[in-house]
This record gives sequence, C-alpha cells and structure tokens, in this order.
Amino acid sequence: SYELTQPPSVSVSPGQTASITCSGDKLGDKYSCWFQQKPGQSPVLVIYQDNRRPSGIPERFSGSSSGNTATLTISGTQAMDEADYYCQSWDSSTVVFGGGTKLTVL
Amino acid sequence: QVQLQESGPRLVKPSETLSITCSVSGGSISSHFWSWIRQSPGKGLEWVGYIYSSGSTNHNPSLKSRVTILADTSKNQFSLNLTSVTAADTAIYYCARYFTGTTGGYFDYWGQGALVTVSS
Repeated sequence: SYELTQPPSVSVSPGQTASITCSGDKLGDKYSCWFQQKPGQSPVLVIYQDNRRPSGIPERFSGSSSGNTATLTISGTQAMDEADYYCQSWDSSTVVFGGGTKLTVL
Repeated sequence: QVQLQESGPRLVKPSETLSITCSVSGGSISSHFWSWIRQSPGKGLEWVGYIYSSGSTNHNPSLKSRVTILADTSKNQFSLNLTSVTAADTAIYYCARYFTGTTGGYFDYWGQGALVTVSS
C-alpha cells in the first residue's frame, strides 16, 4: 500500500521559516494537499493541488512538490501556527494521509 | 457555505456495529464525493472511505470488508457502518467533503467530529 512519510516534529523560532516535508514514491506525479489541526479542532485545509491556497489562508503558507517529496513552507511563522500538520495524497483511488508533524514555535 | 454534522451513538460494545450519520447543509450530496476519516486518541488521521452520489464507494483496504457507506439523497445525509468493532476502532469520526478530479482530491469541508468509544 502507498505510504506518505513525515517527520514527527519540527521546531521553529517565531518569525523564521518552517518547512515540513512529506515523502512518497513518485509523489511529485500526484497532487498533494496539507491540513492544519489544532488541539480539539477539526483539520483545516491550508494547501491543495500542491501549491494552491484556499480562501482565508494567510499568504505565509505555501507548498511545492517535486520528485518524491512535497513540502509545506510557513514563512514568518507565528505562534498561532503551532499545530499538527498532515499531508494527503492518493493512490489507486484510495486516499492516503501522512503520519503528521507537530510544529512547535519556540 | 457547506456544513457537516455527525450524529449517532457515542458508545458501542465490542463485536457490535458502529453506525454514524453525517447531515449536510449548504450543498447537495448529489454531487461530489463524501467521506469518513477517523482519528484515534492522540494519533493521526486515517481515511475510512467515501461515497459518490451515484452510490459508488471505496474504502481503506486495511478495514477489509467491515465498512459500509450509504447515502440518502432525500435527507441529504450519508452514513457509515463499521461492523465487528474492537477497542482499536475507538476514535473521533469526521465526515468531510472530498473535492476530486482526475488527479486526486482534497477535503475542503469537515464536520466537527464525533468521538465514538468501543467499550463494554
């Protein structure tokens, strides 16, 4: 079965750039998306189709994808961005999530 | 604005069937795919399955044949039945709209989630 791999945790200082990776076989040939989930809340879509931002998502969130890796980048990270982040893609008509990355802003 | 709301029993006994319904407002389930995703306490997201308005479905192979997803277009609802549950099925169950094209999709609207506990 298809798997997406994310680092369990990433730390960043306020105002700096955070990058969260998601790896999967030929992931760059598929569309990826990213969700932000804060404690006790439902996930929120922050990036879809690799690099598109839904309405209402700040410009500091961006995405890219190439080869076997998709990347979520948060520029000028703020304390409110501390959350769990999940990548998602698909394979053979099934949906696949990455294991999630806890972003700590300290 | 599409809104989704899960409803159903929050406590299910082992070996019984978990049944949960998602009510959709602000949009018709007669278009798009509609999906269930779950999250065990302290764990990550796991896709359970989806249904299209035509009635076609697909589900996570890891759940084998325990999953049934149905849609009731007259009520604008869709539902999940998960049979032979164990404690490992204890999770927050989310319903969501899956917006998809020929190259995959994404979940753009989510319900608030319903914690279902499997316990005797």
